[in-house]
Amino acid sequence: QQPVQSPQAVILREGEDAVINCSSSKALYSVHWYRQKHGEAPVFLMILLKGGEQKGHDKISASFNEKKQQSSLYLTASQLSYSGTYFCGTDPISSGSARQLTFGSGTQLTVLP
Amino acid sequence: DTGVSQDPRHKITKRGQNVTFRCDPISEHNRLYWYRQTLGQGPEFLTYFQNEAQLEKSRLLSDRFSAERPKGSFSTLEIQRTEQGDSAMYLCASSLSTSGSYNEQFFGPGTRLTVL
Repeated sequence: QQPVQSPQAVILREGEDAVINCSSSKALYSVHWYRQKHGEAPVFLMILLKGGEQKGHDKISASFNEKKQQSSLYLTASQLSYSGTYFCGTDPISSGSARQLTFGSGTQLTVLP
Repeated sequence: DTGVSQDPRHKITKRGQNVTFRCDPISEHNRLYWYRQTLGQGPEFLTYFQNEAQLEKSRLLSDRFSAERPKGSFSTLEIQRTEQGDSAMYLCASSLSTSGSYNEQFFGPGTRLTVL
């Protein structure tokens, strides 16, 4: 089942902060975050694993609440280059090795000057 | 360029024709994935290879779709008897799966298929 992302869209000014949420109905092993600009491939941002490990972009932070199966991506002091669509991909515990990610429908982020 | 590459980037075909796409993963990556993406949606998993073995395939995937990775390097995705509903962006991704790796997937630029 597809994870639910919120909000669907957000507009902010350069320098403002944003939070994007991802919620799953399944017990998760990991959550993967990607950013996709129009007409381009998704770009890896962050991976968060059950148990607290994470790896990713040094200017972006994220959290993973294992009890609630929720993850949040925190974009602070946003830059124009942060504009794009953000996707979370979830990896259920039954899989546990990112073999089959299920992606949400995305959050469209627009950063204005 | 050491990223994932896909060919062709665009393909226009008539309904009923067969099409084949190619993906060249990052050279040391042992996993390769195919996804399909339609407008306004996230990528949808199609199938996955570990080296040359196809280990998982979406239950929703029609038997008109077939994929191969004959030598554990590049992969091909073939769609037979294309339908208008097959129009989408087909994305390939690769990852390195080793003990202690995170398996982050790196995507290629995609092949945009239009079925007339």
